[in-house]
Amino acid sequence: SQTIHQWPATLVQPVGSPLSLECTVEGTSNPNLYWYRQAAGRGLQLLFYSVGIGQISSEVPQNLSASRPQDRQFILSSKKLLLSDSGFYLCASPGTTNTGELFFGEGSRLTVL
Amino acid sequence: AQSVTQLGSHVSVSEGALVLLRCNYSSSVPPYLFWYVQYPNQGLQLLLKYTTGATLVKGINGFEAEFKKSETSFHLTKPSAHMSDAAEYFCAVMTGRRALTFGSGTRLQVQP
Repeated sequence: SQTIHQWPATLVQPVGSPLSLECTVEGTSNPNLYWYRQAAGRGLQLLFYSVGIGQISSEVPQNLSASRPQDRQFILSSKKLLLSDSGFYLCASPGTTNTGELFFGEGSRLTVL
Repeated sequence: AQSVTQLGSHVSVSEGALVLLRCNYSSSVPPYLFWYVQYPNQGLQLLLKYTTGATLVKGINGFEAEFKKSETSFHLTKPSAHMSDAAEYFCAVMTGRRALTFGSGTRLQVQP
């Protein structure tokens, strides 16, 4: 079965500092990968998705970027964090069932001060 | 474009009472619909899904949902609430690229 790992689990960063959140997937190959953000009291917003190595699509303009250096690795980055970047970041993948659902990692909570 | 609307950001029920969480969808194609549950500081866990076939789908933890095309609804129910059901619940619809679009969520409180 598939497992999605995210780290760090919790991060507190000052405004203007860089960011790197990592997601790795086990138990599947060449998965679609997704980054979602959940801001306080709000639903989940799709930020990026990737269908393969080096292939990134952005859903909304923002201060963040994503990269996929390896088949099962998906990284979310920023050069200079803003207060509005605070939130709960979730990595997701469809898994091997091909029945539509996404499986999620445990998330990374980012607080920008 | 596909979207979902969850009515009620907070729902409070007594332990043992019926749980009803509402979700309406908008889709130009036959929808794939999902309900997820999120416990504090955790990722999302799939409760149930509707793709095709039977319109009443059963999920984990005693939850079920009924797809009603005429009402464009996919409401989540559970006959008897348990304290452990307290969490946030998200309705979602599959869009292109096999991504999911989520509703804004409903926080369920269960009172003893």
